[in-house]
Amino acid sequence: DTGVSQDPRHKITKRGQNVTFRCDPISEHNRLYWYRQTLGQGPEFLTYFQNEAQLEKSRLLSDRFSAERPKGSFSTLEIQRTEQGDSAMYLCASSEDPRGRETQYFGPGTRLLVL
Amino acid sequence: GDSVTQMEGPVTLSEEAFLTINCTYTATGYPSLFWYVQYPGEGLQLLLKATKADDKGSNKGFEATYRKETTSFHLEKGSVQVSDSAVYFCALSQGNAGGTSYGKLTFGQGTILTVHP
Repeated sequence: DTGVSQDPRHKITKRGQNVTFRCDPISEHNRLYWYRQTLGQGPEFLTYFQNEAQLEKSRLLSDRFSAERPKGSFSTLEIQRTEQGDSAMYLCASSEDPRGRETQYFGPGTRLLVL
Repeated sequence: GDSVTQMEGPVTLSEEAFLTINCTYTATGYPSLFWYVQYPGEGLQLLLKATKADDKGSNKGFEATYRKETTSFHLEKGSVQVSDSAVYFCALSQGNAGGTSYGKLTFGQGTILTVHP
């Protein structure tokens, strides 16, 4: 068990550019979550997947944001036409099916800075 | 909607002092309650959890009791160490009456704890 991994760990981009982040969950975990954390605040839920199905999206997830989990394993989060307000830490978490335990295990995050 | 409120910080203590970090919540149904900790330079880690009323979660000397009557889940430790310096987050997720939690986590704003030798 290597834990949840995220790539890249840091990303600096210019306003208007597109960025994509990757999350690799713990191998036996069915659920995968994305959160966003701004400085001095707790993480805020963005979206989650049960296997490859995206089951819920927050209203924080504007049309510029899209997430995929094509084979029910890793996931990507893409932000198109980035804005300075998108600067934040993007966290990924995974957990087992809720019919079992539901502890969410977090990755180290991807810190995005939009200039 | 669901929400979590933590005591305002930061909190600064001397080693071996008693720690309380207050957490209250607003939620319908049967929420499960969590404390997560974020050490400097590291990701969020689950510290403890409680899935139904009157349950006590405990780990590494920390404990918290799920109080439905006061909608609270205060974190306590009898004697803090310098290594406990971190940011602590209270969180909840919705669940069922059987104690299974599922779905998204709703976090409080976090409390920074600094412990001096």
